[in-house]
Amino acid sequence: QSALTQPASVSGSPGQSITISCTGTNSDVGTYNFVSWYQQYPGRAPKLIIYDVSNRPSGVSSRFSGSKSGNTASLTISGLQAEDEADYYCSSYTSSTTYVFGTGTKVTVL
Amino acid sequence: QVQLVQSGAEVKKPGSSVTVSCKASGGTFSTFAFSWVRQAPGQGLEWMGGTIPILGARNYAQKFQGRITITTDASTAYMELSGLTYEDTAVIYCARDSRPRSSSWRGAKIYFGMDVWGQGTTVTVSS
Repeated sequence: QSALTQPASVSGSPGQSITISCTGTNSDVGTYNFVSWYQQYPGRAPKLIIYDVSNRPSGVSSRFSGSKSGNTASLTISGLQAEDEADYYCSSYTSSTTYVFGTGTKVTVL
Repeated sequence: QVQLVQSGAEVKKPGSSVTVSCKASGGTFSTFAFSWVRQAPGQGLEWMGGTIPILGARNYAQKFQGRITITTDASTAYMELSGLTYEDTAVIYCARDSRPRSSSWRGAKIYFGMDVWGQGTTVTVSS
């Protein structure tokens, strides 16, 4: 099972919107609506920010939104803030009854 | 408030094995899926394997097949990794997914998004 493909880095200015893509295959993202997104700060455990493609857990800012089209899922951060500077990982359930993460994207707030 | 508390840091020699434990407190155990996720220094997240106690299910990433064993007891999950090499130096997390299930549910075998994480256990492989 290969890792899902994400851009290595994405940057934006405060207040702007950015989108992170996550490309998988018909064996994961393309078949299942069980795509999640995680935010991770250095030295900290990941935090779930989106589950089931587009749902936010309680307490997660509405500035985070998710979507999916075909084999590609996307995370959009609107109204970018300094605190959004972190690493972001997508993930998906797979047809092999396993779980796979994306390669990770470093978000920089300019 | 569910918490996952992992065992402490380990230093192991190449070729040896390591076992990391993950004790759940404050909630039910068997109805959730638990996964083990590792992160090598400066690298991304990697799913190693998982277990769904209510199903008696254990699933392993192909990369670790033959080297990893995940077990559970009443409230603790364990992950044993054998044949350690220097490339196994990493922080290993346990995590619980967000959806309780019954054994009769069609979706019971699915690993969902993980909303509760342990603090991480550093495993260092060094001679």
